[in-house]
Amino acid sequence: DQQVKQNSPSLSVQEGRISILNCDYTNSMFDYFLWYKKYPAEGPTFLISISSIKDKNEDGRFTVFLNKSAKHLSLHIVPSQPGDSAVYFCAASKWGGNTGKLIFGQGTTLQVKP
Amino acid sequence: DAGVTQSPTHLIKTRGQQVTLRCSPKSGHDTVSWYQQALGQGPQFIFQYYEEEERQRGNFPDRFSGHQFPNYSSELNVNALLLGDSALYLCASSSPPPRRNEQYFGPGTRLTVT
Repeated sequence: DQQVKQNSPSLSVQEGRISILNCDYTNSMFDYFLWYKKYPAEGPTFLISISSIKDKNEDGRFTVFLNKSAKHLSLHIVPSQPGDSAVYFCAASKWGGNTGKLIFGQGTTLQVKP
Repeated sequence: DAGVTQSPTHLIKTRGQQVTLRCSPKSGHDTVSWYQQALGQGPQFIFQYYEEEERQRGNFPDRFSGHQFPNYSSELNVNALLLGDSALYLCASSSPPPRRNEQYFGPGTRLTVT
């Protein structure tokens, strides 16, 4: 039972354009969501998070949007840079972010072309 | 400030053998979580330790066990290895609540079972 799904295995965008990565979840108990980036031979690196009491959180070029009614979140990267090329995972958690048990999606490989 | 470290980097074992993987958390972190990442999948939560006790467990059999030491470092043990245990094993550390979900990952240990 895949509670967190990233339905696009890969995404290719041109440098300078917007990258939009999508994530859907099924468990309505999830109330804290995170995005991680992973380069080959490295562990995932935390990017940005959002609590279910918000619908948007920004950090520099990265913005996460949460649509609770649709159980959908997205990560926008503007402008995209070649160094953003990596695998992006969304993750979800319960109980306001205090559990430390993250449920991950399958990942989306982003390629940013120069 | 050293981040999360894991050893060994790579490991090759034979079916039926036992393996121990090690993790040192980031300075100031008291919680260690272990994840298994199969090829092409997102990380899957195995279990979490803090205060030297297992606090949460994912859907993994009892062949997977762990330990946390007084200095917060941790071990993951897998007995009776199966071919399906071949994966990247990630260790993540975090602070006490309310930041327990903000996990910092190590580079992982690549386990191959032949």
